[in-house]
Amino acid sequence: SAVISQKPSRDICQRGTSLTIQCQVDSQVTMMFWYRQQPGQSLTLIATANQGSEATYESGFVIDKFPISRPNLTFSTLTVSNMSPEDSSIYLCSVTLAGPEQFFGPGTRLTVL
Amino acid sequence: QKEVEQDPGPLSVPEGAIVSLNCTYSNSAFQYFMWYRQYSRKGPELLMYTYSSGNKEDGRFTAQVDKSSKYISLFIRDSQPSDSATYLCAGGTSGSRLTFGEGTQLTVNP
Repeated sequence: SAVISQKPSRDICQRGTSLTIQCQVDSQVTMMFWYRQQPGQSLTLIATANQGSEATYESGFVIDKFPISRPNLTFSTLTVSNMSPEDSSIYLCSVTLAGPEQFFGPGTRLTVL
Repeated sequence: QKEVEQDPGPLSVPEGAIVSLNCTYSNSAFQYFMWYRQYSRKGPELLMYTYSSGNKEDGRFTAQVDKSSKYISLFIRDSQPSDSATYLCAGGTSGSRLTFGEGTQLTVNP
């Protein structure tokens, strides 16, 4: 597996502001993903972070709201833009190495007031 | 219809019991399946990965897949209080995209 860290681990933000979440991996990975886990619910895939090109977004998620960067094979960021209380959630990054198994980071717990 | 259905529980068992966690899925394109364990306020931890019908065993855990009935299970033998967590099943397609079930909350009582 890989060691995955996320920053910040938690944050409380005001409505209308933006937050950028970082995901750092200790080794080069093939794929990186961003998920959302709303309170009491399961994980929903937001997008696949592609290195050097635009992310691939799932239905219901758009680049203007969740811009993603992946400048290299070990790092990605997810920005939650123009936040509302409905964006309060846990945001998780995951990675794959040689196979399809996904390994998750510890998550970023976001509360929007 | 959700692509992956999972009974959310909660499920409460005594220590030492055999636990059976189950999911059904509707997407025939799923090529592989995974089980994750998620402790409170932590990220999901990969427990088992299977890609064909049949059983796969790892210590006290056994994952079972029946593609003909689109049914997947996770069995935990000799359950321990440390197994208390939420268990998530997921189906995967090409491109490593995972679709998760709702998760089953398990409590193992000492």
